[in-house]
Amino acid sequence: EVQLVESGGGLVQPGGSLRLSCAASGFSFSKYWMHWVRQAPGQGLVWASRIRSDGSETDYADSVKGRFTISRDNAKNTLYLQLNRLRVEDTAVYYCVRASNGGDNFDSWGQGTLVSVSS
Amino acid sequence: NFMLTQPHSVSESPGKTVTISCTCSGGSIANNYVQWYQQRPGSSPTTVIYEDDQRPSGVPDRFSGSIDSSSNSASLTISGLKTEDEADYYCQSYDNTNLWVFGGGTKLTVL
Repeated sequence: EVQLVESGGGLVQPGGSLRLSCAASGFSFSKYWMHWVRQAPGQGLVWASRIRSDGSETDYADSVKGRFTISRDNAKNTLYLQLNRLRVEDTAVYYCVRASNGGDNFDSWGQGTLVSVSS
Repeated sequence: NFMLTQPHSVSESPGKTVTISCTCSGGSIANNYVQWYQQRPGSSPTTVIYEDDQRPSGVPDRFSGSIDSSSNSASLTISGLKTEDEADYYCQSYDNTNLWVFGGGTKLTVL
């Protein structure tokens, strides 16, 4: 069974930093592209970042480019998202998401971790 | 700018059929596959349709997807509505500039 378990969320002041982790199990993690998708309270889904299966390529939404960094450790089956220079508008549940092999279907989602940015 | 626009909400009675639209602007809906996700309150999203019209295993055949190049839109149709179908539904596709894009979501009420 595919499992994605996020951790690392919490309350942080504007300008602060957090590191989110996503522990993957039940599949060959190193073969899949992985994404982070976020959802502000009461709002819709917004794609934030993705990383290629081998970690060689990354992409970011304009809203997080230059502040967030996605990475992975395939030996530890773990995905990361480093959040720097956080803003109030970054408050959201952050989901770790697996993309189907070779496709754009987000076929497995974690339970999400809440990041709250407030003074 | 590539965007996917959905109605904010739709409602229908149990047993009926409902269609949720996803209108593409700033690009062509036919250029890349469309996915549809269901998100029940308090839960993570799950795929109900991928690659325009494919159903993952476990998704009932009451769910179907299609695209219409003439209107540059995608549609999710749910027939034989059940109260358990009440959820938020999101369309999603890919664009070379904006990358992975979601529609704003549609709240389906089954009453």
